Amino acid sequence: QKEVEQDPGPLSVPEGAIVSLNCTYSNSAFQYFMWYRQYSRKGPELLMYTYSSGNKEDGRFTAQVDKSSKYISLFIRDSQPSDSATYLCAMSALGETSGSRLTFGEGTQLTVNP
Amino acid sequence: EAGVAQSPRYKIIEKRQSVAFWCNPISGHATLYWYQQILGQGPKLLIQFQNNGVVDDSQLPKDRFSAERLKGVDSTLKIQPAKLEDSAVYLCASSSTTGSTQYFGPGTRLLVL
Repeated sequence: QKEVEQDPGPLSVPEGAIVSLNCTYSNSAFQYFMWYRQYSRKGPELLMYTYSSGNKEDGRFTAQVDKSSKYISLFIRDSQPSDSATYLCAMSALGETSGSRLTFGEGTQLTVNP
Repeated sequence: EAGVAQSPRYKIIEKRQSVAFWCNPISGHATLYWYQQILGQGPKLLIQFQNNGVVDDSQLPKDRFSAERLKGVDSTLKIQPAKLEDSAVYLCASSSTTGSTQYFGPGTRLLVL
């Protein structure tokens, strides 16, 4: 069993839709949860960073972590064509400042159609 | 501020040949990572350096892969000999020892024929 499972894509939505992206994990030691966005032929870039359970909002993006269910989500409101990319969830057992390994999900490819 | 630089961007080799990738991290970043991203999968950590010392190389196939960061700045990742299954994007990332974000370079896309 993989440590991190991510809903397979591809996902195609109309512009303005609310997008929900999800990951589940099995390692209860994970405490730090991240969402990265990766455009085609580019490296991943950090979108959201959350510690432990709870919600975090940044503009149109909301990250949710439910440690009791080992489930994390990323919501994108008012999706735009520029949001079209692959979204990767990532997790670590210790803070990144200690250099802990990131474990990534497989990624969900999102297309937002004008 | 310049980002993480990687070269070459693309490389095509035949199996059993050797190949090397180069990474220049963001200035001042002490921690450097090499990841392998196979098509359709998330990145997998190969090796992590703190300055010029190895912190984690538990997922590095040491029979064929090697990496070094001699002066604690630039790093090279080498594969010798390459196998078909090494076809992937090799991503370099760096982070400040006091920061919380890994910044990724654009990657080197390797195709082994």
